[in-house]
Order: sequence, then C-alpha cells, then structure tokens
Amino acid sequence: DQQVKQNSPSLSVQEGRISILNCDYTNSMFDYFLWYKKYPAEGPTFLISISSIKDKNEDGRFTVFLNKSAKHLSLHIVPSQPGDSAVYFCAASGSYNFNKFYFGSGTKLNVKP
Amino acid sequence: GAVVSQHPSRVICKSGTSVKIECRSLDFQATTMFWYRQFPKQSLMLMATSNEGSKATYEQGVEKDKFLINHASLTLSTLTVTSAHPEDSSFYICSARPGYAASYEQYFGPGTRLTVT
Repeated sequence: DQQVKQNSPSLSVQEGRISILNCDYTNSMFDYFLWYKKYPAEGPTFLISISSIKDKNEDGRFTVFLNKSAKHLSLHIVPSQPGDSAVYFCAASGSYNFNKFYFGSGTKLNVKP
Repeated sequence: GAVVSQHPSRVICKSGTSVKIECRSLDFQATTMFWYRQFPKQSLMLMATSNEGSKATYEQGVEKDKFLINHASLTLSTLTVTSAHPEDSSFYICSARPGYAASYEQYFGPGTRLTVT
C-alpha cells in the first residue's frame, strides 16, 4: 500500500529555471514531511522539511509547499543548478509513530547546463 | 558531522548462505537505527527499527528469523540475511538517529547492494 507517491519518475530542467517536484500522500495522519536528495552510490541526505502546521517552508533555493486539503506537497528549486541533478525522495511521517517514514519512489532530476 | 557508513557496499553470495551488513555511525551515538530495503525504481521500505541493547521492532511482513538485527552498541547495528535466496537480492540502507536529535532526524548510510545467485 503506497501511502506516498511520486508520480514523475524523472524531470529534466534547464539550468537557471525552476524545478518543481511533486508528491502526493493518502494518510491524513501524516503531519511531518521531508525531502531527501540522493546521489548515486550515496545514502539519501536531508534537504528540507515541513510540519503540517505550515503551508510553506523556505531554505535558500529550496521551498517546500504543503497543501493539506489536496494531500499534496511540492519542492521548488530556484534557480536550478547542474549540481542539483540527483534523485529526490519525499517522505512522510506522523507524530503517532515518528520512527516510521513512508517514502515515495523518487524523482530523478536532471538539470541541463 | 552525522556520517553513517555501511559495509560492504556490494556483496554477492550464493543461495543458502548468510551475509552480514554493518551500519556504523561514525561521529555520533545512535540510540535508534533503522533498516530499509529498496527494490528497483521503488521507494525505501522500512524493515525494522532497533534501539541499542534491545530487540528490534520489525515491520509487518518482515521475517525476523530471516533478517537478524543486532544493535549491540551505540555506534553499530548489523543486519544478517540468513539462508539468502535470490528474492532477497536488493538494496539495503540503514539510517541512524543521534541521541541528541529531534524526533524526525535520521541520517542515512550509502547502502549495500546484495545479489544472491
């Protein structure tokens, strides 16, 4: 039962433009959401997170938006850089069990120079 | 800081043998460690959560007698795949939560590619 979905397996963007990565979830008990970035042969690294009490969180070039009514979150990268090329995973968790993260299947972002 | 290593990075074993994967937190003490499994083009699936000095908590559908987890110290957890079969071939990733960390923090290792022939 896939409770977190990333429906776009890949995304290609020109350097300098905006990258928008999307994520949908089904469990209304989720109240914390995270984005991870993964390079080949490395483990996922934490990028940015958002609590369900917010609808936006910004950190430099990265902004995460949360739409609770639509059970949808997105990661915006502006401006995109070639070094951003990686696989991006969204993850969700709930305060009822913060040990368990539910991950999406990932979106491979390619930023073209 | 907050570096997690895994060893080996790749392992090939014959069907019926057992293989051990190590997960180490290099610069922090991890009160909780997690083991995930990732199938190709799929998401990371939590297999089990282990706390130092106590038995691991396995997710539904994960055979605890097949995937033995030991968290003997605050910096080391091991996953042993016993009597491996080709269907156990997968990418296994561990993560660790520092003792000082907020609830949601986890730091991931680079993963171990297991191939069972």
